[in-house]
Amino acid sequence: GDSVTQMEGPVTLSEEAFLTINCTYTATGYPSLFWYVQYPGEGLQLLLKATKADDKGSNKGFEATYRKETTSFHLEKGSVQVSDSAVYFCALRKSPVYGGATNKLIFGTGTLLAVQP
Amino acid sequence: DGGITQSPKYLFRKEGQNVTLSCEQNLNHDAMYWYRQDPGQGLRLIYYSQIVNDFQKGDIAEGYSVSREKKESFPLTVTSAQKNPTAFYLCASSIDMTGFSLGQPQHFGDGTRLSIL
Repeated sequence: GDSVTQMEGPVTLSEEAFLTINCTYTATGYPSLFWYVQYPGEGLQLLLKATKADDKGSNKGFEATYRKETTSFHLEKGSVQVSDSAVYFCALRKSPVYGGATNKLIFGTGTLLAVQP
Repeated sequence: DGGITQSPKYLFRKEGQNVTLSCEQNLNHDAMYWYRQDPGQGLRLIYYSQIVNDFQKGDIAEGYSVSREKKESFPLTVTSAQKNPTAFYLCASSIDMTGFSLGQPQHFGDGTRLSIL
């Protein structure tokens, strides 16, 4: 079945370090891909998205490129801040052509990022 | 501001008791969802509704019930049949099926944390 695999955390970085959180997926066709961020005690917020191969989503200094050939959507940021400390979720939504009419999102298990001053 | 309001923020359940979690949205979204979040397991879909008076079971519906009598409201009842209800519950909404297929994201509330007394 369709699935999303994220690197296990926690990821601990110093401020201004480079961030990569790996995400790979298994799905038929061309799913839409999303990164969500969850700050402590809060719900999820959409960080960025990509809907087709080679699309690059970006927001708040974060970027992720939809790589069909490697089935990946890795999250990157060139210089992290303490305020980026949160849990990051990678998610996919099936292509409607391949049974995606139910609107369901499939989430990875989340990666905790802790940024130290 | 438009958004999703979940209440209460914290909820305690006694053994054998049913409890209801509230979710209200003023985004004029057709589709609404309930997720359960457990540590290390990401989000799992409980129920979803694509339109008023219609809802579908998600991956872990046993022990839960929902209703969708109004477009803006999608309450979740955790019944006594749910033997392990302690978790963080998240409600979400999206525009509609067509909107979602174009990459429109789900919007999330801030969650309700349910614990057993």
